[in-house]
Amino acid sequence: NAGVTQTPKFQVLKTGQSMTLQCAQDMNHEYMSWYRQDPGMGLRLIHYSVGAGITDQGEVPNGYNVSRSTTEDFPLRLLSAAPSQTSVYFCASRYQGPNTEAFFGQGTRLTVV
Amino acid sequence: AQSVTQPDIHITVSEGASLELRCNYSYGATPYLFWYVQSPGQGLQLLLKYFSGDTLVQGIKGFEAEFKRSQSSFNLRKPSVHWSDAAEYFCAVGARSQGGKLIFGQGTELSVKP
Repeated sequence: NAGVTQTPKFQVLKTGQSMTLQCAQDMNHEYMSWYRQDPGMGLRLIHYSVGAGITDQGEVPNGYNVSRSTTEDFPLRLLSAAPSQTSVYFCASRYQGPNTEAFFGQGTRLTVV
Repeated sequence: AQSVTQPDIHITVSEGASLELRCNYSYGATPYLFWYVQSPGQGLQLLLKYFSGDTLVQGIKGFEAEFKRSQSSFNLRKPSVHWSDAAEYFCAVGARSQGGKLIFGQGTELSVKP
């Protein structure tokens, strides 16, 4: 059981470039989400999905797009990278509901120069 | 608004000493509360959770937490810290909106002195 797999682990982008962070889970979880982690700010929700074909914005969605064509995959796209998007990104999955455990990927450390 | 506050950004304890990490939450209804641990370069792992019932909950790695509704707190404790406990610890509340999103505190970084 692989759990939640994120790729890549590290990435350096130039301002204005685009890229996709990949996330896949093999636990048949309905709920998937993307967070960014910045020093002193904890984890902040970027986008989330409650099932295939359904996505919605979290608290910091600007500059990011997501799609959910399958239960397993939830990629995060940076449309035009900015230095403010330098961060560590985590994908998480869980069963639906506020009382379920979230499983996290190992993170992607993104630097935008 | 729902929020979680961890007042201590960084704590240093000696190996073998006891530990308490503080967490306060703001939430209108009975909260679903979690503690996660993040080791360097890793993702987050669930330590323990509270939904209802006994207010003292036991978790993995010898950790426990106590829910105190009157103080809106969910502090994490460990009687004797090991060097391998050095990590960052996050308190979170599960919201009933936005599909049950997790609202995280700012995190507390724990250092362990030999």
